[in-house]
Amino acid sequence: LAKTTQPISMDSYEGQEVNITCSHNNIATNDYITWYQQFPSQGPRFIIQGYKTKVTNEVASLFIPADRKSSTLSLPRVSLSDTAVYYCLVGDYGFGNEKLTFGTGTRLTIIP
Amino acid sequence: DSGVTQTPKHLITATGQRVTLRCSPRSGDLSVYWYQQSLDQGLQFLIQYYNGEERAKGNILERFSAQQFPDLHSELNLSSLELGDSALYFCASSQQGNIGNIQYFGAGTRLSVL
Repeated sequence: LAKTTQPISMDSYEGQEVNITCSHNNIATNDYITWYQQFPSQGPRFIIQGYKTKVTNEVASLFIPADRKSSTLSLPRVSLSDTAVYYCLVGDYGFGNEKLTFGTGTRLTIIP
Repeated sequence: DSGVTQTPKHLITATGQRVTLRCSPRSGDLSVYWYQQSLDQGLQFLIQYYNGEERAKGNILERFSAQQFPDLHSELNLSSLELGDSALYFCASSQQGNIGNIQYFGAGTRLSVL
């Protein structure tokens, strides 16, 4: 399972575009990159998933360079309700004892 | 609503006791995951089941055990509880068992050990 590194925290003002980068240097060929959002005392919620290049949905975009050693979650025009912890999860595995880890994520705080 | 149901929502018990947390996955999902999240901590993976069989094990204590039943619901059993076991316990489900599969999380069970 690829180890991921994210910034511990980020602040941004309302209306700005926010980019959160996740490093995953040892990503494997079959690995997908998945981002989750978690509000306090709630379960994480899927935001977006990608394998390469760019993926966009109604809430975010995910940019993945050709070497796939990092990925950037882009949140357009953030609002106060985007204040949450964002987790990057990388991997794809078969049967075995691999450990799933969400890490500590990036705590995003949106300032009015 | 993720479609994953966890019961109970809250549980208060004493040290040394045993509790059972229950999880019903989304319809059609074969894989169930259990996570522990202590205050201001990240999600710690405990264990995963796929179609009734254990598939992956994380840092699950020997005092904890889980199983997935033929109807695919899962139970997490916590015994000889200690104060440090107080945490939010989340269950997630996915269609298959690979990490690339999107996980859908329940609302969690908040366990307080007094």
